[in-house]
Amino acid sequence: DIQMTQSPSSLAASEGDRVTITCRASQDIRTYLNWYQQKPGKAPKLLIKGASSLQSGVPSRFSGSGSGADFTLTISSLQPEDFATYYCQQSYNRYTFGQGTKLEIK
Amino acid sequence: QVQMVQSGAEVKQPGASVIVSCKASGYTFTDYYIHWVRQAPGQGLEWMGWMNPNSGGTIYALKFQGRVTLTRDTSISTAHMEVRSLRPDDTAVYYCARGTDEFDLWGQGTLVTVSS
Repeated sequence: DIQMTQSPSSLAASEGDRVTITCRASQDIRTYLNWYQQKPGKAPKLLIKGASSLQSGVPSRFSGSGSGADFTLTISSLQPEDFATYYCQQSYNRYTFGQGTKLEIK
Repeated sequence: QVQMVQSGAEVKQPGASVIVSCKASGYTFTDYYIHWVRQAPGQGLEWMGWMNPNSGGTIYALKFQGRVTLTRDTSISTAHMEVRSLRPDDTAVYYCARGTDEFDLWGQGTLVTVSS
């Protein structure tokens, strides 16, 4: 199985901050990497697909980059509604999620 | 409205089985694979398997092979997931989601509690 490791596991930031979350795969997954946002009690929401393509309707302050085994999700200027948990997911060989990064208000 | 609506919460005893349903609407049911993902309380997301609604073909995560069965009824655009031999550590919210490489539409989740 392909393992996905996110860092950090939690992060405290303020509104307006620029935030970066990283995700590392245990092997080359090309660009088969997606990012999701999950708020408490809600289903995950797709943000970024194919490592860098913004899902329709997602604000442009979200961006993704990377290929191979190393990926990043960046939020350029945090808004109040962005405080949530973020998961990466590989779809190169079946599917595996990272353990999540909880983004909290500082 | 494009959506996936799941069946309601269940409470089961250890050793029992549960079936969770997921009704799709607003799109052509057979055009997208259906995945099942679970989330134990306070934990992360775990992919369980997918089904091709067109052919009925399935792929399961190794951990769930033999204990989980995915089926569908195309006449009512509904997918089903059965989990057998439930254990307390199967207590989780179970989600259906559609997609191939990415999951762009999710159900609201179904809480399954396994307790004696």
